[in-house]
Amino acid sequence: SQQGEEDPQALSIQEGENATMNCSYKTSINNLQWYRQNSGRGLVHLILIRSNEREKHSGRLRVTLDTSKKSSSLLITASRAADTASYFCYNNNDMRFGAGTRLTVKP
Amino acid sequence: DAGVIQSPRHEVTEMGQEVTLRCKPISGHNSLFWYRQTMMRGLELLIYFNNNVPIDDSGMPEDRFSAKMPNASFSTLKIQPSEPRDSAVYFCASSPPGQNNEKLFFGSGTQLSVL
Repeated sequence: SQQGEEDPQALSIQEGENATMNCSYKTSINNLQWYRQNSGRGLVHLILIRSNEREKHSGRLRVTLDTSKKSSSLLITASRAADTASYFCYNNNDMRFGAGTRLTVKP
Repeated sequence: DAGVIQSPRHEVTEMGQEVTLRCKPISGHNSLFWYRQTMMRGLELLIYFNNNVPIDDSGMPEDRFSAKMPNASFSTLKIQPSEPRDSAVYFCASSPPGQNNEKLFFGSGTQLSVL
């Protein structure tokens, strides 16, 4: 069963807009990670946020964590067509991935 | 670094046949994961090895599935006999020691089709 649930399942936006994806998890976490998967490829690590952190930035990525709600969000600012991919959250405590959000950025 | 190497890239087989998927983790990494990805069930953890020892195999679907890690540089996932419902993309991932699996490195996957 999926330990993390992302929403939305699919998101379509125009280039330049921001994209926000959410993840909820059920078990406790040591840290929460976000990964990206281009079609037909393996997953690539994007960013990690620890359980004692609330916000983390990396380039155009911003991750927030709310342990009281067991949820996290990934924000991609100023999106580009090359950001088109699926995005997954990952709980390293139970080693499970969420269901993923499929992001389409239209040029 | 060559990254995590999986073979074959694609496998087409008939129901009832034995299938063996192979993985070479990144040199120096001591954690190895096998995941299965389908549209219906998403990414499922099949088995997790640490220092060549299976730590969590609760995701292995049934006795038809078996995984081995005879040494730090090689792992296999075997399905015998294969069934059409085993059709999926199988990923191997590794992570380095001392980081509590804070970053997984994935192979390109094996696309398995069981007819």
